[in-house]
Amino acid sequence: AQSVAQPEDQVNVAEGNPLTVKCTYSVSGNPYLFWYVQYPNRGLQFLLKYITGDNLVKGSYGFEAEFNKSQTSFHLKKPSALVSDSALYFCAVSSPVAGNTPLVFGKGTRLSVIA
Amino acid sequence: GAGVSQSPSNKVTEKGKDVELRCDPISGHTALYWYRQSLGQGLEFLIYFQGNSAPDKSGLPSDRFSAERTGGSVSTLTIQRTQQEDSAVYLCASSLNGEQFFGPGTRLTVL
Repeated sequence: AQSVAQPEDQVNVAEGNPLTVKCTYSVSGNPYLFWYVQYPNRGLQFLLKYITGDNLVKGSYGFEAEFNKSQTSFHLKKPSALVSDSALYFCAVSSPVAGNTPLVFGKGTRLSVIA
Repeated sequence: GAGVSQSPSNKVTEKGKDVELRCDPISGHTALYWYRQSLGQGLEFLIYFQGNSAPDKSGLPSDRFSAERTGGSVSTLTIQRTQQEDSAVYLCASSLNGEQFFGPGTRLTVL
């Protein structure tokens, strides 16, 4: 069975500092990995994905994530946080077996960027 | 082009009543998913349609929940005899090649 763990419910960071939101996963075979962001009263917005290839994936709004197979991690990072990055972040995994498959989400991490 | 749309955006109902939630996926997307987002449970998969294949209903929490997808496009999620624990945000997503695009959700409140 697939699973995703986001060990931190809340991450606080000062504006301008680098941020990291952690994610580890468990899946049979090679995973498809995703990060989504949810702003208040909004739907989920896609940030980035890892399917194959370069372990460092760059996405929207200056975010990036690094796929680490040995540590089964896919941490989300940004070099310099903005107050507008404050939101709820979800890591998700799916199995590549059949192409389109449902996502398994982590519980989410609330990021607060303080001015 | 238009994204995934859902209606209504908010629904308040009384315990025991039936509700229908609608999802209009992105045109041409072959896969459609329903998820539920509730406090303490995070985002849970409910049901998944892929083309003309039989839907994957493995995430439905009880037989009060059902969904259909007509003509490979619009989908309706039906909850019969609603319970207070059904209160949540119901999210729909569609995809063509793996990346899922989400609608804004329907917030369901069962009184």
